[in-house]
Amino acid sequence: TQLLEQSPQFLSIQEGENLTVYCNSSSVFSSLQWYRQEPGEGPVLLVTVVTGGEVKKLKRLTFQFGDARKDSSLHITAAQTGDTGLYLCAGEDNNAGNMLTFGGGTRLMVKP
Amino acid sequence: KAGVTQTPRYLIKTRGQQVTLSCSPISGHRSVSWYQQTPGQGLQFLFEYFSETQRNKGNFPGRFSGRQFSNSRSEMNVSTLELGDSALYLCASSLYLAGGPYEQYFGPGTRLTVT
Repeated sequence: TQLLEQSPQFLSIQEGENLTVYCNSSSVFSSLQWYRQEPGEGPVLLVTVVTGGEVKKLKRLTFQFGDARKDSSLHITAAQTGDTGLYLCAGEDNNAGNMLTFGGGTRLMVKP
Repeated sequence: KAGVTQTPRYLIKTRGQQVTLSCSPISGHRSVSWYQQTPGQGLQFLFEYFSETQRNKGNFPGRFSGRQFSNSRSEMNVSTLELGDSALYLCASSLYLAGGPYEQYFGPGTRLTVT
């Protein structure tokens, strides 16, 4: 069973600060996805990275897939209160019927 | 395009009862997956259906079952409910293009409380 570890588990910062969330595994994934979930709702897909070393930017969010496709990071620049939520990474394993393995999540709170 | 819909949104049941949850995927999506989310265990995969066949199954007891209909709508059933089954049950649909990333689109979930 593949495992994805996210760190930190909790993060509380002031509006305007920068932050980075990490997603690590000892296994190789064919793709890695990041989701954000707000209370009482389902996760919303933010981005998918598929190539080792790939970097994708979504406004103030920068996503990177590790060269070996075992890890990923999410960097938020100048965080806003609207960024508050649970951030989940999920790795896809082509050898396991394309199942997604989810990390434990990082709960981010951005204070005004 | 309408998103994934789940019904009901909230449900309260008593131990020993059974429950059926429903999920309608995004139009054109043939893959439907179910997850259980709890504060302690996070998001755990239950099973996935593709073209009416269960393609993958997570590590849950046989009390948890599901099915998919010809229109891709899916239901999951939990029999003999236990207190520990209280959770947010999430359904996700995927277009699943061969060779492409397996991106999933989640519904809002059904909050099940077992008393």
